[in-house]
Amino acid sequence: EAGVTQSPTHLIKTRGQQATLRCSPISGHTSVYWYQQALGLGLQFLLWYDEGEERNRGNFPPRFSGRQFPNYSSELNVNALELEDSALYLCASSLVLGSEQYFGPGTRLTVT
Amino acid sequence: AQKVTQAQTEISVVEKEDVTLDCVYETRDTTYYLFWYKQPPSGELVFLIRRNSFDEQNEISGRYSWNFQKSTSSFNFTITASQVVDSAVYFCALKSMDSGNTPLVFGKGTRLSVIA
Repeated sequence: EAGVTQSPTHLIKTRGQQATLRCSPISGHTSVYWYQQALGLGLQFLLWYDEGEERNRGNFPPRFSGRQFPNYSSELNVNALELEDSALYLCASSLVLGSEQYFGPGTRLTVT
Repeated sequence: AQKVTQAQTEISVVEKEDVTLDCVYETRDTTYYLFWYKQPPSGELVFLIRRNSFDEQNEISGRYSWNFQKSTSSFNFTITASQVVDSAVYFCALKSMDSGNTPLVFGKGTRLSVIA
Protein backbone atom coordinates (compact mmCIF):
# COMPACT_ATOMS: atom_id res chain seq x y z
CA GLU A 1 0.00 0.00 0.00
CA ALA A 2 1.42 3.37 -1.01
CA GLY A 3 2.07 5.83 1.76
CA VAL A 4 1.45 9.55 1.85
CA THR A 5 3.25 11.27 -1.01
CA GLN A 6 4.27 14.90 -1.28
CA SER A 7 5.64 17.01 -4.09
CA PRO A 8 7.94 18.62 -4.73
CA THR A 9 10.68 17.37 -2.43
CA HIS A 10 12.43 20.70 -2.45
CA LEU A 11 11.21 24.12 -3.43
CA ILE A 12 13.23 27.31 -3.64
CA LYS A 13 11.37 30.60 -3.92
CA THR A 14 12.10 34.27 -3.61
CA ARG A 15 10.52 36.49 -0.99
CA GLY A 16 7.14 37.74 -2.17
CA GLN A 17 6.48 34.83 -4.51
CA GLN A 18 3.85 32.14 -4.07
CA ALA A 19 4.47 28.46 -3.31
CA THR A 20 2.20 25.49 -3.97
CA LEU A 21 2.79 22.21 -2.19
CA ARG A 22 0.90 19.01 -2.96
CA CYS A 23 -0.07 15.95 -0.97
CA SER A 24 -1.72 12.64 -1.81
CA PRO A 25 -3.09 10.71 1.17
CA ILE A 26 -3.07 6.99 1.71
CA SER A 27 -5.84 5.34 -0.30
CA GLY A 28 -9.06 5.37 1.72
CA HIS A 29 -8.00 8.16 4.04
CA THR A 30 -10.28 11.18 3.90
CA SER A 31 -8.51 13.50 6.34
CA VAL A 32 -5.41 15.45 5.37
CA TYR A 33 -3.33 17.57 7.73
CA TRP A 34 -0.57 20.08 7.08
CA TYR A 35 2.20 20.94 9.52
CA GLN A 36 5.11 23.34 9.43
CA GLN A 37 8.38 22.31 11.01
CA ALA A 38 10.72 25.27 11.15
CA LEU A 39 14.16 24.90 12.63
CA GLY A 40 13.96 24.77 16.39
CA LEU A 41 10.19 25.28 16.53
CA GLY A 42 8.84 21.75 16.52
CA LEU A 43 5.72 20.77 14.60
CA GLN A 44 3.17 23.51 14.17
CA PHE A 45 -0.32 22.57 13.01
CA LEU A 46 -1.37 24.47 9.90
CA LEU A 47 -4.55 23.07 8.35
CA TRP A 48 -6.89 20.10 8.50
CA TYR A 49 -9.18 19.00 5.69
CA ASP A 50 -11.75 16.27 5.78
CA GLU A 51 -14.20 15.33 3.03
CA GLY A 52 -13.28 18.48 1.15
CA GLU A 53 -13.99 20.83 4.04
CA GLU A 54 -11.56 22.80 6.18
CA ARG A 55 -12.09 21.49 9.74
CA ASN A 56 -9.54 23.53 11.60
CA ARG A 57 -6.59 25.80 11.05
CA GLY A 58 -3.68 26.71 13.24
CA ASN A 59 -2.41 30.10 14.25
CA PHE A 60 -1.09 31.14 10.86
CA PRO A 61 -1.87 34.22 8.74
CA PRO A 62 -4.43 34.00 5.91
CA ARG A 63 -1.69 33.89 3.29
CA PHE A 64 -1.44 30.22 4.23
CA SER A 65 -4.36 28.51 2.55
CA GLY A 66 -5.25 25.25 0.94
CA ARG A 67 -7.89 22.98 -0.37
CA GLN A 68 -8.82 19.35 -0.67
CA PHE A 69 -9.90 17.87 -3.95
CA PRO A 70 -12.64 15.26 -4.55
CA ASN A 71 -9.98 12.52 -4.69
CA TYR A 72 -8.87 13.68 -1.18
CA SER A 73 -5.51 14.97 -2.33
CA SER A 74 -4.64 18.38 -1.03
CA GLU A 75 -2.77 21.51 -1.90
CA LEU A 76 -1.14 24.04 0.41
CA ASN A 77 -0.62 27.54 -0.94
CA VAL A 78 1.60 30.11 0.67
CA ASN A 79 1.30 33.61 -0.74
CA ALA A 80 3.64 36.57 -0.33
CA LEU A 81 6.44 34.36 0.92
CA GLU A 82 8.57 35.60 3.78
CA LEU A 83 12.02 34.42 4.82
CA GLU A 84 10.60 32.86 7.99
CA ASP A 85 8.37 30.59 5.88
CA SER A 86 11.46 28.51 5.18
CA ALA A 87 10.70 25.16 6.76
CA LEU A 88 9.85 21.52 6.21
CA TYR A 89 6.16 21.20 5.39
CA LEU A 90 4.71 17.85 6.35
CA CYS A 91 1.45 16.39 5.20
CA ALA A 92 -0.34 13.58 7.02
CA SER A 93 -3.49 11.58 6.47
CA SER A 94 -5.74 9.52 8.69
CA LEU A 95 -8.62 7.14 8.24
CA VAL A 96 -11.03 8.41 10.86
CA LEU A 97 -11.08 11.04 13.59
CA GLY A 98 -8.74 10.05 16.38
CA SER A 99 -6.87 7.43 14.44
CA GLU A 100 -3.14 7.70 13.91
CA GLN A 101 -1.85 10.09 11.29
CA TYR A 102 0.60 8.83 8.70
CA PHE A 103 3.10 11.34 7.43
CA GLY A 104 4.65 11.97 4.06
CA PRO A 105 8.33 12.71 3.50
CA GLY A 106 7.74 16.46 3.46
CA THR A 107 8.53 19.38 1.19
CA ARG A 108 11.46 21.52 2.17
CA LEU A 109 10.68 25.12 1.25
CA THR A 110 13.51 27.61 1.14
CA VAL A 111 12.72 31.29 0.75
CA THR A 112 15.62 33.52 -0.29
CA ALA B 1 -6.22 23.84 26.37
CA GLN B 2 -4.19 20.83 25.40
CA LYS B 3 -0.46 20.69 25.94
CA VAL B 4 2.34 18.15 25.66
CA THR B 5 5.65 18.60 27.44
CA GLN B 6 8.79 16.70 26.61
CA ALA B 7 11.23 18.08 29.12
CA GLN B 8 14.25 16.29 27.70
CA THR B 9 15.51 18.24 24.72
CA GLU B 10 18.44 15.96 23.96
CA ILE B 11 19.62 12.63 25.32
CA SER B 12 22.82 10.83 24.48
CA VAL B 13 23.41 7.18 25.39
CA VAL B 14 25.92 4.51 24.57
CA GLU B 15 24.71 1.60 22.48
CA LYS B 16 22.98 -1.17 24.47
CA GLU B 17 21.95 1.17 27.27
CA ASP B 18 18.27 1.51 28.13
CA VAL B 19 16.76 4.96 27.74
CA THR B 20 13.41 6.45 28.75
CA LEU B 21 11.84 9.42 27.00
CA ASP B 22 9.40 11.37 29.14
CA CYS B 23 6.08 12.80 28.04
CA VAL B 24 3.64 14.74 30.21
CA TYR B 25 0.32 15.92 28.83
CA GLU B 26 -2.46 18.29 29.83
CA THR B 27 -6.09 18.05 28.83
CA ARG B 28 -9.48 18.47 30.45
CA ASP B 29 -11.09 15.97 28.12
CA THR B 30 -11.98 12.52 29.37
CA THR B 31 -11.56 10.94 25.96
CA TYR B 32 -8.24 11.42 24.21
CA TYR B 33 -5.49 9.62 22.38
CA LEU B 34 -1.77 9.68 22.93
CA PHE B 35 0.83 8.97 20.27
CA TRP B 36 4.55 8.55 19.81
CA TYR B 37 6.29 9.32 16.53
CA LYS B 38 9.91 8.88 15.44
CA GLN B 39 11.59 11.32 13.07
CA PRO B 40 14.87 9.93 11.73
CA PRO B 41 17.34 12.20 9.92
CA SER B 42 15.46 11.62 6.66
CA GLY B 43 12.67 13.81 8.07
CA GLU B 44 9.61 11.60 7.66
CA LEU B 45 7.65 11.02 10.86
CA VAL B 46 7.05 7.37 11.60
CA PHE B 47 4.06 6.34 13.69
CA LEU B 48 5.02 4.15 16.66
CA ILE B 49 1.99 3.77 18.92
CA ARG B 50 -1.48 5.06 19.76
CA ARG B 51 -3.09 4.69 23.17
CA ASN B 52 -6.59 5.80 24.19
CA SER B 53 -7.39 7.36 27.54
CA PHE B 54 -9.38 4.36 28.74
CA ASP B 55 -6.59 1.88 28.23
CA GLU B 56 -3.82 2.18 30.79
CA GLN B 57 -2.32 -1.16 30.01
CA ASN B 58 1.36 -0.87 29.25
CA GLU B 59 2.56 -2.08 25.88
CA ILE B 60 5.71 -3.77 24.70
CA SER B 61 6.81 -4.11 21.10
CA GLY B 62 10.20 -5.68 20.75
CA ARG B 63 12.72 -3.34 22.35
CA TYR B 64 10.12 -0.60 22.74
CA SER B 65 7.77 -0.24 25.68
CA TRP B 66 5.32 2.42 26.77
CA ASN B 67 4.11 3.29 30.26
CA PHE B 68 0.82 5.19 30.43
CA GLN B 69 -0.18 6.60 33.83
CA LYS B 70 -3.28 8.79 33.99
CA SER B 71 -2.59 9.62 37.65
CA THR B 72 0.53 11.53 36.63
CA SER B 73 -0.62 12.43 33.08
CA SER B 74 2.42 10.73 31.65
CA PHE B 75 3.06 8.51 28.67
CA ASN B 76 6.72 7.53 28.79
CA PHE B 77 8.61 5.60 26.16
CA THR B 78 11.49 3.23 26.93
CA ILE B 79 13.94 1.76 24.47
CA THR B 80 15.75 -1.28 25.80
CA ALA B 81 19.25 -2.13 24.59
CA SER B 82 19.42 0.94 22.38
CA GLN B 83 20.98 0.76 18.93
CA VAL B 84 22.53 3.36 16.66
CA VAL B 85 19.47 3.10 14.37
CA ASP B 86 17.34 4.42 17.24
CA SER B 87 19.00 7.81 16.84
CA ALA B 88 16.20 10.20 15.91
CA VAL B 89 13.91 12.87 17.25
CA TYR B 90 10.95 11.39 19.10
CA PHE B 91 7.66 13.25 19.43
CA CYS B 92 4.84 12.63 21.84
CA ALA B 93 1.40 13.89 20.74
CA LEU B 94 -2.10 14.31 22.14
CA LYS B 95 -5.46 14.25 20.36
CA SER B 96 -8.39 15.36 22.49
CA MET B 97 -11.76 14.01 21.38
CA ASP B 98 -14.41 15.67 23.57
CA SER B 99 -14.16 19.05 21.89
CA GLY B 100 -14.64 17.99 18.28
CA ASN B 101 -12.25 19.17 15.64
CA THR B 102 -9.18 19.78 17.76
CA PRO B 103 -5.87 19.11 16.05
CA LEU B 104 -3.10 16.80 17.13
CA VAL B 105 -0.85 18.62 19.59
CA PHE B 106 2.84 17.70 19.55
CA GLY B 107 5.50 18.10 22.15
CA LYS B 108 8.72 19.79 21.08
CA GLY B 109 10.48 16.47 20.70
CA THR B 110 13.46 14.72 22.28
CA ARG B 111 16.56 14.21 20.18
CA LEU B 112 18.09 10.83 21.00
CA SER B 113 21.67 10.09 20.00
CA VAL B 114 22.90 6.53 20.41
CA ILE B 115 26.65 6.29 20.25
CA ALA B 116 28.38 3.12 19.11
